[in-house]
Amino acid sequence: GNSVTQMEGPVTLSEEAFLTINCTYTATGYPSLFWYVQYPGEGLQLLLKATKADDKGSNKGFEATYRKETTSFHLEKGSVQVSDSAVYFCALILPYQGAQKLVFGQGTRLTINP
Amino acid sequence: NAGVTQTPKFQVLKTGQSMTLQCAQDMNHNSMYWYRQDPGMGLRLIYYSASEGTTDKGEVPNGYNVSRLNKREFSLRLESAAPSQTSVYFCASIKQENQPQHFGDGTRLSIL
Repeated sequence: GNSVTQMEGPVTLSEEAFLTINCTYTATGYPSLFWYVQYPGEGLQLLLKATKADDKGSNKGFEATYRKETTSFHLEKGSVQVSDSAVYFCALILPYQGAQKLVFGQGTRLTINP
Repeated sequence: NAGVTQTPKFQVLKTGQSMTLQCAQDMNHNSMYWYRQDPGMGLRLIYYSASEGTTDKGEVPNGYNVSRLNKREFSLRLESAAPSQTSVYFCASIKQENQPQHFGDGTRLSIL
């Protein structure tokens, strides 16, 4: 079936550290891939996206590259800040009964310490 | 600001009570969705509406009903709340295929 697997959290880093959150997927066809971020007490916000193989999505210093050969979409940031503390969700979008739906990973909680 | 608005933000119910969660979007989006978020499980689709006048079941529809009142509004109803329905509920909308979904801020629902 279709699924998204993220690295388990929680992840705790110091400010200015390098961040990688792994995400792999299983899907038929070539879905679009997304990273969403959820700050405490808020809804999900789109962080970045990639719609085809080898696309690189980027936003706010975060990057992720759509790797078809490894079915991966790992999230990276070179130097994290305290304000990056949040829960991060990897997701793919699929056709679903005439519409579409997002399939989410379980989320990775990131805490950045000053 | 344009976006997806959910009401209420918090609610506590007793087992067996009913309530309706409201969702409205002002972006002229065609499709709307209801998800529930539980610890360690990501988001799961409850119901969706591909367009005005249509609704369909998602992955976890049992215990819920929905109404697509018009293009803007999509409500979720719990007819007889159960403790297993304690969760955070998110509404989302999308204009067209392969575009990202826009999410509301969520409704935190506790069933005692």
